[in-house]
Amino acid sequence: DQQVKQNSPSLSVQEGRISILNCDYTNSMFDYFLWYKKYPAEGPTFLISISSIKDKNEDGRFTVFLNKSAKHLSLHIVPSQPGDSAVYFCAFSSGNTGKLIFGQGTTLQVKP
Amino acid sequence: DAGVIQSPRHEVTEMGQEVTLRCKPISGHDYLFWYRQTMMRGLELLIYFNNNVPIDDSGMPEDRFSAKMPNASFSTLKIQPSEPRDSAVYFCASSFRVTEAFFGQGTRLTVV
Repeated sequence: DQQVKQNSPSLSVQEGRISILNCDYTNSMFDYFLWYKKYPAEGPTFLISISSIKDKNEDGRFTVFLNKSAKHLSLHIVPSQPGDSAVYFCAFSSGNTGKLIFGQGTTLQVKP
Repeated sequence: DAGVIQSPRHEVTEMGQEVTLRCKPISGHDYLFWYRQTMMRGLELLIYFNNNVPIDDSGMPEDRFSAKMPNASFSTLKIQPSEPRDSAVYFCASSFRVTEAFFGQGTRLTVV
């Protein structure tokens, strides 16, 4: 039972352009939403998060959007830089349980 | 704080042997998670603890897997007996309440 889906396994973007990563979920109990970035041979690192009471959160070049009615989460990176090339995971949590569930990941390649 | 510390970083063992992975969470964090990453299944939650108590172990694949958290600063994940299909990268993560989790660098396990 996949509660979280990242339908695009990979994405390639030109440096300076916008990168948009998407995630869909089915569990309406999720109330905290996160994005993580992972480089090879390292653990995932936290990037940005949003709670269910908001629909947008911005941190520098990174903006997370939450559409609760569509159960859709997205991450915008603008402008994209070659150093952003990594695997991006969306993650979801429920305040009731504390359980943190990850999507399958999207590999982003930013070309110079 | 040095972050989440996992040991060993790499482990190569023969099929049938017992394997023990270790984790030291960030001081003050009350949640601890064990994840496994494989190409097929992505980042899979195996088990998580809250205040040293196992909350959900539904992700543990078989009885060969067990996890303990004897105190707030230490956890182990044990596989006995190990099998080649257990080969993966195992991550430990910790968080304070229901917020972003911080990951260790992982243990790459190879069972031959």
